[in-house]
Amino acid sequence: DTGVSQNPRHKITKRGQNVTFRCDPISEHNRLYWYRQTLGQGPEFLTYFQNEAQLEKSRLLSDRFSAERPKGSFSTLEIQRTEQGDSAMYLCASSIPTVSGKAFFGQGTRLTVV
Amino acid sequence: AQRVTQPEKLLSVFKGAPVELKCNYSYSGSPELFWYVQYSRQRLQLLLRHISRESIKGFTADLNKGETSFHLKKPFAQEEDSAMYYCAPFPFDSGGSNYKLTFGKGTLLTVNP
Repeated sequence: DTGVSQNPRHKITKRGQNVTFRCDPISEHNRLYWYRQTLGQGPEFLTYFQNEAQLEKSRLLSDRFSAERPKGSFSTLEIQRTEQGDSAMYLCASSIPTVSGKAFFGQGTRLTVV
Repeated sequence: AQRVTQPEKLLSVFKGAPVELKCNYSYSGSPELFWYVQYSRQRLQLLLRHISRESIKGFTADLNKGETSFHLKKPFAQEEDSAMYYCAPFPFDSGGSNYKLTFGKGTLLTVNP
């Protein structure tokens, strides 16, 4: 599968634990987005990268959240000291800059904080 | 402030009926507009892009700059069109380097037999 890949697909964690998600974009795509989606809502923008540079972070992204994209390839999203309100689907998408609105999405990582 | 509104959270029609999913936006400049679709248990995917002026799966969308709308239409709905639909404006300029893709809250379309 040459599409966007996210791992793990599901994650159940206890409140207060740290979790890390990984996204592997389509290889020639240098823009990478992270979104959060809760039931019945549209994807909410969290942050995005162009190559290895993180260009913008949403106010939704508290200090407990951090994202990286070393070497402009895969990206990781870490949540520290998870809270029940962090339970959601975390989506990753990638695109090429010339058509940056044409994004390809991964299947998401569903996080459940118990 | 930049904003996209999909006024209908739920839309239910019968098979063969016309369907229109509404999207209104408030953006400075001239954004590029997209519709994304998410079928049950599938990943979010691009349906169509206004600049392409194409029809995908029988759907079309016309950008009305005067009304700042980008409604999605299909003359005869099919059961397989049942899905969640998201309108997504993307601010556009010749550089496009510092803009992000954002989504409306979505409309759940149900096409009944």
